Amino acid sequence: DAGITQSPRHKVTETGTPVTLRCHQTENHRYMYWYRQDPGHGLRLIHYSYGVKDTDKGEVSDGYSVSRSKTEDFLLTLESATSSQTSVYFCAISERTGGRETQYFGPGTRLLVL
Amino acid sequence: SQKIEQNSEALNIQEGKTATLTCNYTNYSPAYLQWYRQDPGRGPVFLLLIRENEKEKRKERLKVTFDTTLKQSLFHITASQPADSATYLCALFNQTGANNLFFGTGTRLTVIP
Repeated sequence: DAGITQSPRHKVTETGTPVTLRCHQTENHRYMYWYRQDPGHGLRLIHYSYGVKDTDKGEVSDGYSVSRSKTEDFLLTLESATSSQTSVYFCAISERTGGRETQYFGPGTRLLVL
Repeated sequence: SQKIEQNSEALNIQEGKTATLTCNYTNYSPAYLQWYRQDPGRGPVFLLLIRENEKEKRKERLKVTFDTTLKQSLFHITASQPADSATYLCALFNQTGANNLFFGTGTRLTVIP
């Protein structure tokens, strides 16, 4: 998984509680991403980061926030979890060389919001 | 609206045959297109990239074609094996916008021994 770890790997939580997912990389990549994957929707980008303290919104950012205080860590927070946020969350890093980008994904976090 | 469609949700083929998966897109201007493999419970893994000015790319038993006129990419696995069973995702890198990489929903391939 290209030196990317995610924690926790599984989580069950209740509606209305805050949840933080962590992505950690060991290879000093500048770009990091959070996706969610749901049946029928494929991978959808939530937020991404292009450097320490530099983040931007993706396609489905409502209800999520992110922080990146160190190059190696990218945190995703569900401020008040809802059942619609039950999903599998993937973190990814990208290598950008020669005008092209290739993404490498972590193992995923399976989140269930009851 | 922008769409990336992969021909079918699931595809079953006999071992040894060639599997062909389709990725069609609308309202994108891709600079290149990628194919990923995803196994159950794992993250996607990059397989191949093909640029807009390339017609075909090969890697071992894999072949990808890219037709920007038809707005379509075909992904072929020749001499398929049960170990090729997985979900295959196409993703395109759009030339415009800050958020550039978009994924299809995937095709689940099962190779039957």
